[in-house]
Amino acid sequence: DAGITQSPRHKVTETGTPVTLRCHQTENHRYMYWYRQDPGHGLRLIHYSYGVKDTDKGEVSDGYSVSRSKTEDFLLTLESATSSQTSVYFCAISVGDNSPLHFGNGTRLTVT
Amino acid sequence: AQSVTQPDIHITVSEGASLELRCNYSYGATPYLFWYVQSPGQGLQLLLKYFSGDTLVQGIKGFEAEFKRSQSSFNLRKPSVHWSDAAEYFCAVGRMDSSYKLIFGSGTRLLVRP
Repeated sequence: DAGITQSPRHKVTETGTPVTLRCHQTENHRYMYWYRQDPGHGLRLIHYSYGVKDTDKGEVSDGYSVSRSKTEDFLLTLESATSSQTSVYFCAISVGDNSPLHFGNGTRLTVT
Repeated sequence: AQSVTQPDIHITVSEGASLELRCNYSYGATPYLFWYVQSPGQGLQLLLKYFSGDTLVQGIKGFEAEFKRSQSSFNLRKPSVHWSDAAEYFCAVGRMDSSYKLIFGSGTRLLVRP
């Protein structure tokens, strides 16, 4: 899958705990993205990065933060998880400039 | 604001029948359009893309899509559906403002009757 690894693949956590999801790429692509997928909503963009230490918010960024200290790694952090953040999270990469996005296999997060 | 609409939440077709999945977009400039497919428990796989030129684009797995600027549509078609095509299909539009991102529709789930 285009050299994208998401970890963990599954996680169950309790409300109020911090959670960090990791996306690792081996393609040296400039752009990295975090989307969440929920029934009836398709994929919604949480945050994205256009270079090391360069990140920006997407359409559903509240309650999430990201960091990109290396080209290959893009971390998504839920500072204090809530039940509304139960979802499947997808990382994607792109070379940018109208190119397709390539997706990882997703992380299923359950907040109890 | 840019948006993508997939008006059909579910579609059921018989194996061997033809398929058309609808996608309408709202975008001020020339759009960059994509169709993705997602099998259960998997990530999204690119089926095809449109950037410019010929308005009928061919993709993988026998799929094609036609860009119609006058209707703001980018419908996905397949002449004969196979049972393995059962999946969820997403249309997306590429947006380039301060940076590059894709905006997705809400998806259409395809069921295939034997």
